[in-house]
This record gives sequence, C-alpha cells and structure tokens, in this order.
Amino acid sequence: QQQVKQSPQSLIVQKGGISIINCAYENTAFDYFPWYQQFPGKGPALLIAIRPDVSEKKEGRFTISFNKSAKQFSLHIMDSQPGDSATYFCAASSEAGSYQLTFGKGTKLSVIP
Amino acid sequence: DVKVTQSSRYLVKRTGEKVFLECVQDMDHENMFWYRQDPGLGLRLIYFSYDVKMKEKGDIPEGYSVSREKKERFSLILESASTNQTSMYLCASTSLRRLGFFYGYTFGSGTRLTVV
Repeated sequence: QQQVKQSPQSLIVQKGGISIINCAYENTAFDYFPWYQQFPGKGPALLIAIRPDVSEKKEGRFTISFNKSAKQFSLHIMDSQPGDSATYFCAASSEAGSYQLTFGKGTKLSVIP
Repeated sequence: DVKVTQSSRYLVKRTGEKVFLECVQDMDHENMFWYRQDPGLGLRLIYFSYDVKMKEKGDIPEGYSVSREKKERFSLILESASTNQTSMYLCASTSLRRLGFFYGYTFGSGTRLTVV
C-alpha cells in the first residue's frame, strides 16, 4: 500500500514535443506529491509538487495533473528541450507516515534534437 | 537555500574496509535520510533519523549503520564493505513542518562508492 508505481522506465522525446510521465498510488492518506529531477552526477532536486486539493499545477513548461479518484498523477513537460534530459522521480507522502517520501523507481528522459 | 553537503563525491574502498560517508546540512532540519540509488531500482531507503541520537531502519539496513551525534550531521557506516555495496549514496534532509506544511526533501549531490 505504500508503493508508488511510475511509468515508463525510459522515454525518448523529440525536441519540442510533450513528455509525459505517470505515477499511481494506493495509499489514500498520501497528501503531498512532489516530482524530483536528477541530472547525471547530481542529487535529485525538487521540481514541482502538488497537494490533492487541486487537480493541476503549472510552473513554466512543467505541469502536474492530479486525479484523486483514480489515484494517479502525472508530469507533463511541454516543448521538451535537450536540457530536460534527466531522470525524473515521482513521490508521495502523508502526515500519518511522518511525511516520509515514498519514491517511484524513476524515468530516464532523453530529449533528442 | 538549504544546503546538504556530502563530504566525498567519489570513493574507492577495498572489500572488508570500514567506510564512513558523511553528510552535513545547514538549515537546522530535524530529519535526515540515507538512500542508495542503483539503476532500475530507484531510491532505496537505508536509514533515517528524526532527531539527534535517534535512528530508524529503512528498507535495506543490512550491512549498514548510522550515527547522528549532532543535529546537522548524519553519518552512514559500512561496517565491512562488500562489492554489492558499490552504489551511489544520497543523503537528504527535511524539516517536518513549517506553517503546517511539508516541503519535501533536499538532497546532497551524492557519493559514488566503488568497493573493489
């Protein structure tokens, strides 16, 4: 019940295209859903996060869509650029879980020119 | 900005050695975590700590121990390094709550450990 399932494992997108990464969860107590971006040789860095009281959050080219009833959330990267090539992790946490993050296994995104 | 500093970027150790990985954060965070990252397996939690001298086992604690003598410092110890502990090790910290909200983790840049 603590799992967060992330797909796809890897993704190749043309420059200018839309990258979409999906995550699903089971624990209905989760109330914080962040996405982390990790470049090679670096630690993950918080990219964008959403709470379940909204269905969408947008920051620049990055959008989280959240479907509470389906227990799914996704990251959309519009106008994908080669500089977006990185590994992306979704995660979730709850107050009941002392806010400990449960991570998906990651998606390696490659944006090709 | 919160800073989480891991003392070494790359380490090469011999099998059987005792290895110390150090992590320091500068924002007075209560919570600190050690993860290892392996291709296809994502981030796996080794140990975490909610306070000084407190420690809790994560999902894969075998072969590891931790020490938290000061709030800002969380050390991961490999008691007797083995080749299957070759991995990227990531430290993270967070504050439980500010204004009633949780703001996620801040990660260090990682230590790439190779055990030969």
